[in-house]
Amino acid sequence: AAGVIQSPRHLIKEKRETATLKCYPIPRHDTVYWYQQGPGQDPQFLISFYEKMQSDKGSIPDRFSAQQFSDYHSELNMSSLELGDSALYFCASSSGTGGFPEQFFGPGTRLTVL
Amino acid sequence: ILNVEQSPQSLHVQEGDSTNFTCSFPSSNFYALHWYRWETAKSPEALFVMTLNGDEKKKGRISATLNTKEGYSYLYIKGSQPEDSATYLCALNAGNNRKLIWGLGTSLAVNP
Repeated sequence: AAGVIQSPRHLIKEKRETATLKCYPIPRHDTVYWYQQGPGQDPQFLISFYEKMQSDKGSIPDRFSAQQFSDYHSELNMSSLELGDSALYFCASSSGTGGFPEQFFGPGTRLTVL
Repeated sequence: ILNVEQSPQSLHVQEGDSTNFTCSFPSSNFYALHWYRWETAKSPEALFVMTLNGDEKKKGRISATLNTKEGYSYLYIKGSQPEDSATYLCALNAGNNRKLIWGLGTSLAVNP
């Protein structure tokens, strides 16, 4: 079965550079979520999109932005990278208009900021 | 600030042992409770989503219960196997939205 695809899987950037992470949800899933997990920390919800509109916002820094495109894939854009942005970034997707559906996670992108 | 707490932080059991761990959350902010299983080098995998007080769900040797009045959920694993070794995360929907608040997880190691 198709799963959530994230690219790239690993990314190394310098401080103050920009990075773009991509997420391709499971086909026919209409909601995409982004999470950040720092070393030894619980996953932190960043932002989610439903039908290409932002649906919920969490602890996403102002330096980050995200959007969902017409084909439902999503991109997380990160600018002015800081050392503290080094983390594992998960994307998840779900379907359904109501309730609290389970989220299907991608393999994550590990971002290292030097 | 809403906190989802899990205990114990880590657990080592022998193959064949049954075990359980706890997820605690503020009962006044409950909409749904999720359990995920996260194996090293893989992505989190959904186990259960529970919404009703008294809910009990089962998947194979793994089951979960929910008490929304007192704000806790238990995850049980019967007859642990080495392949059960993983981090078990619980996450709370604390509002009528899909944003999840995560616990830190319980890391389970099952020794053969």
